[in-house]
Amino acid sequence: GNSVTQMEGPVTLSEEAFLTINCTYTATGYPSLFWYVQYPGEGLQLLLKATKADDKGSNKGFEATYRKETTSFHLEKGSVQVSDSAVYFCALRITQGGSEKLVFGKGTKLTVNP
Amino acid sequence: GAGVSQSPSNKVTEKGKDVELRCDPISGHTALYWYRQSLGQGLEFLIYFQGNSAPDKSGLPSDRFSAERTGGSVSTLTIQRTQQEDSAVYLCASSFRDGLYEQYFGPGTRLTVT
Repeated sequence: GNSVTQMEGPVTLSEEAFLTINCTYTATGYPSLFWYVQYPGEGLQLLLKATKADDKGSNKGFEATYRKETTSFHLEKGSVQVSDSAVYFCALRITQGGSEKLVFGKGTKLTVNP
Repeated sequence: GAGVSQSPSNKVTEKGKDVELRCDPISGHTALYWYRQSLGQGLEFLIYFQGNSAPDKSGLPSDRFSAERTGGSVSTLTIQRTQQEDSAVYLCASSFRDGLYEQYFGPGTRLTVT
């Protein structure tokens, strides 16, 4: 079936540290991949996406590269800030029979301390 | 412009009662999605509407759950005879046409069944 596995949290870092949140997926075909972020008290919002193999999505200093050979889409940021504290969700887009949906990982809570 | 809105923001109900959750998508968005976010299950797809096509209800967990979308705009998710395991945050999202366009999420309705 289609599924997303991302590293369990919580993750606690100091400001300016390097961040990696691992995400791997299982899917038929080549789905589009996404990272969504949920800041405290706010709704889910798209952080970045990649629609085909070797694509790199980037936004707000975050990057993720669609790796078909390892079925991965790891999220990275070189220097995190306190304002990056949030829950991060990896997701893939499934299209089938005229329908579509996002399949999400369990989420990784990131806390960045000053 | 206005984002996706949901009402109520919080709902506390007694076990066995029926509840209705409302979603107002972004104007002009033809695709509408319902998801459920719970501690145990993470983010799960419930139902997908696209224009006037028949909805994909494959994610609805039981026949106590139903949803409709009137006039291609507002959607209502109804849960009959609520159970404690229905307690979760119900999220609505809309997109311009399909998932290749960003899904914009509403703030959610937090449902608590006592």
